[in-house]
Amino acid sequence: EPEVTQTPSHQVTQMGQEVILRCVPISNHLYFYWYRQILGQKVEFLVSFYNNEISEKSEIFDDQFSVERPDGSNFTLKIRSTKLEDSAMYFCASKVELAGNNEQFFGPGTRLTVL
Amino acid sequence: AQSVTQLGSHVSVSEGALVLLRCNYSSSVPPYLFWYVQYPNQGLQLLLKYTSAATLVKGINGFEAEFKKSETSFHLTKPSAHMSDAAEYFCAVSEGDYKLSFGAGTTVTVRA
Repeated sequence: EPEVTQTPSHQVTQMGQEVILRCVPISNHLYFYWYRQILGQKVEFLVSFYNNEISEKSEIFDDQFSVERPDGSNFTLKIRSTKLEDSAMYFCASKVELAGNNEQFFGPGTRLTVL
Repeated sequence: AQSVTQLGSHVSVSEGALVLLRCNYSSSVPPYLFWYVQYPNQGLQLLLKYTSAATLVKGINGFEAEFKKSETSFHLTKPSAHMSDAAEYFCAVSEGDYKLSFGAGTTVTVRA
């Protein structure tokens, strides 16, 4: 069964460093998302991406964040200068373009630890 | 704006007992509603979804949920808990084909 994959599973970085989190969505999916979950808190929406552009973003998704689909398979989230409060589990999700079915398929997540 | 409230951050049940997880939503338009399960150190797996068809929705692993518009609720139930049901459960809402808004989650423990 096709699935969303994410790499790395765990990333440790120093405050102020840039990180890139990678996702491979399911191959026929056209909508892509990033969510995050700070330890002990709820899963929060960051950004959605469709047709090579951001379709919606939350207030969390400030200028330090960017997303890219550099080729036909990868979807990346870049944090330019990480802060301690960026430590969280980051989930990628994707879905097919099918009106009336908002089923998003989630990857296993990347745990980001900022020291 | 859409939002979800999950009542009870922790639920403990005996094996074989009923599992009931409560979810109330707020939405300005007819919502889509979802229940996801997260096992330790894993991602989010869809249990079931409501997208304006039948109000009683059956999902995987014996779970079901009923959409009640009058109560703005979408509670998740399973008649008989199994040890493998121990996990965290998230209710989520979307206003159409857009972002999901999640509840705070309910951790289920199952006693032998």
